[in-house]
Amino acid sequence: GQNIDQPTEMTATEGAIVQINCTYQTSGFNGLFWYQQHAGEAPTFLSYNVLDGLEEKGRFSSFLSRSKGYSYLLLKELQMKDSASYLCAVRDDYKLSFGAGTTVTVRA
Amino acid sequence: DTAVSQTPKYLVTQMGNDKSIKCEQNLGHDTMYWYKQDSKKFLKIMFSYNNKELIINETVPNRFSPKSPDKAHLNLHINSLELGDSAVYFCASSQGDSPVYNEQFFGPGTRLTVL
Repeated sequence: GQNIDQPTEMTATEGAIVQINCTYQTSGFNGLFWYQQHAGEAPTFLSYNVLDGLEEKGRFSSFLSRSKGYSYLLLKELQMKDSASYLCAVRDDYKLSFGAGTTVTVRA
Repeated sequence: DTAVSQTPKYLVTQMGNDKSIKCEQNLGHDTMYWYKQDSKKFLKIMFSYNNKELIINETVPNRFSPKSPDKAHLNLHINSLELGDSAVYFCASSQGDSPVYNEQFFGPGTRLTVL
């Protein structure tokens, strides 16, 4: 089965940087995903890592270390619209399993 | 030009009733999913269909029955609704079920409240 841990909440100031960590234990690994979910809305895809290293996409970057079972999502130049829940998800041999999500609150 | 759509968006019903939620995707994807997101925000897979064939069936009560009339549609029927069924149900789709490419596109969700 899957065991995916991420912090429940984080707060940061507009313009700052926030790093959301995710640790996982899985039987079989075929990639790690990050999704963003605004309150009352559907999750939307942010990033996908299957090899070790950093993937950068504009203000968002995601890092993976398979040997450590660890990933992080880095949000730079925070904007108010980045206030949302960020879900770490791991793909095993046949399904995607989600963590409980980290609620990020951006303050002015 | 909605990619994944669900109806209804809100559903309020009494315990013991039977209800259905419909999902349609116009992305040409082969694989569709049903997820349940409870009050603690955990998003859990319930079912997955690939080209109308059931490929994932998690530990879900048999009161829940998915049906895929074609690969663009995946409906969810729930019999004898219980209080614990109250949650947001998300439909999703992906290009395939291979681990190589598994970005999922989610519908807007159906908020089910059982009274």
